[in-house]
Amino acid sequence: DSGVTQTPKHLITATGQRVTLRCSPRSGDLSVYWYQQSLDQGLQFLIQYYNGEERAKGNILERFSAQQFPDLHSELNLSSLELGDSALYFCASSADRGWLGTEAFFGQGTRLTVV
Amino acid sequence: SQQGEEDPQALSIQEGENATMNCSYKTSINNLQWYRQNSGRGLVHLILIRSNEREKHSGRLRVTLDTSKKSSSLLITASRAADTASYFCATDATDYGGSQGNLIFGKGTKLSVKP
Repeated sequence: DSGVTQTPKHLITATGQRVTLRCSPRSGDLSVYWYQQSLDQGLQFLIQYYNGEERAKGNILERFSAQQFPDLHSELNLSSLELGDSALYFCASSADRGWLGTEAFFGQGTRLTVV
Repeated sequence: SQQGEEDPQALSIQEGENATMNCSYKTSINNLQWYRQNSGRGLVHLILIRSNEREKHSGRLRVTLDTSKKSSSLLITASRAADTASYFCATDATDYGGSQGNLIFGKGTKLSVKP
């Protein structure tokens, strides 16, 4: 158990809909990362938050948004869903020792299926 | 975009044999990490090697880093059926000599260890 909790584990929704994925980081970790994993694109970095503020942005679509709350949990919002958004969405957290970098701890992921 | 590229894409060996996976990356890094993913599950951190280190060991794992060639290798000795998984290298994005914190993953090597 990594200590990172993601809910829900599975989500099936229709095209055009909006969903929210939730992540609780490991206790004490200030950084939260979101990744999308699909068969053809591999693991794509979407966005990182550090202590409530956006720190780095990757290949995140404009239809997607995220935030980190004061209690450090994070939510990833996906809207106007398309079939191609079907993927595993992972959240990870790290203690983030600043410039040195550190290992990330991953949740078990949310499997999103858009039908 | 991918930073690391693993090679081979797939590897099948017998239990007891050694498995070697390679990773090449494109830009300067502060550290390189290896992760394991069992089918459809979250990634598990294996080992982190910093840019000023050349080799690191952890149990049956041995990682090397050659910054001049921008490459790393992961060796799993005396493999077991339980080592069957996908293995990813991940590098941190650097920013003015420091780490941005987010990890960029390669597409992974799928290792199959037959009993």
